[in-house]
Amino acid sequence: NAGVTQTPKFRVLKTGQSMTLLCAQDMNHEYMYWYRQDPGMGLRLIHYSVGEGTTAKGEVPDGYNVSRLKKQNFLLGLESAAPSQTSVYFCASRTGQETQYFGPGTRLLVL
Amino acid sequence: RKEVEQDPGPFNVPEGATVAFNCTYSNSASQSFFWYRQDCRKEPKLLMSVYSSGNEDGRFTAQLNRASQYISLLIRDSKLSDSATYLCASYNAGNNRKLIWGLGTSLAVNP
Repeated sequence: NAGVTQTPKFRVLKTGQSMTLLCAQDMNHEYMYWYRQDPGMGLRLIHYSVGEGTTAKGEVPDGYNVSRLKKQNFLLGLESAAPSQTSVYFCASRTGQETQYFGPGTRLLVL
Repeated sequence: RKEVEQDPGPFNVPEGATVAFNCTYSNSASQSFFWYRQDCRKEPKLLMSVYSSGNEDGRFTAQLNRASQYISLLIRDSKLSDSATYLCASYNAGNNRKLIWGLGTSLAVNP
């Protein structure tokens, strides 16, 4: 039981490049979340999903897109990366209980 | 004003000391609360959930004061390994199943 996994662990992009971050969970959780964490800003919700095939905007959705085609996977896409998107990205999932379980994070540097 | 607020610290305490953090929340409809621990460059991990008046787990005790709208985390007999950032989060079922996060309190336990 791996819990929540994220790939890649680290990535460097040039401004304007695109990439997809993958989050996978093997706990059969309905809800999944993408956060970014920046110094002094705390955890900020980007997008979330309450079930397969559904997505919704969080607090800071601009510049990101998501998809939840399979229950176990939640993808975060950056279509045209900007330096302001340099951050640590965490994925989390939960069941009907409120507790969220986090993946190990992806560190993204946009030059 | 943020919905969940924490004193950022840092709290510097000697090994063996007792230390307490407070977390205040502004939404009186918040139903449950969580303390997460986050080590440097790692993901947040659940430390304790608080659904009613409080919870205790070994050296850790969380207390909820609904009248004053705060929750506290008490750590007794501090260990060096307790050094981390402690994140507080609140949950309100009417908020689209999202957690509202504080910015965290930094704790350093010194030998």
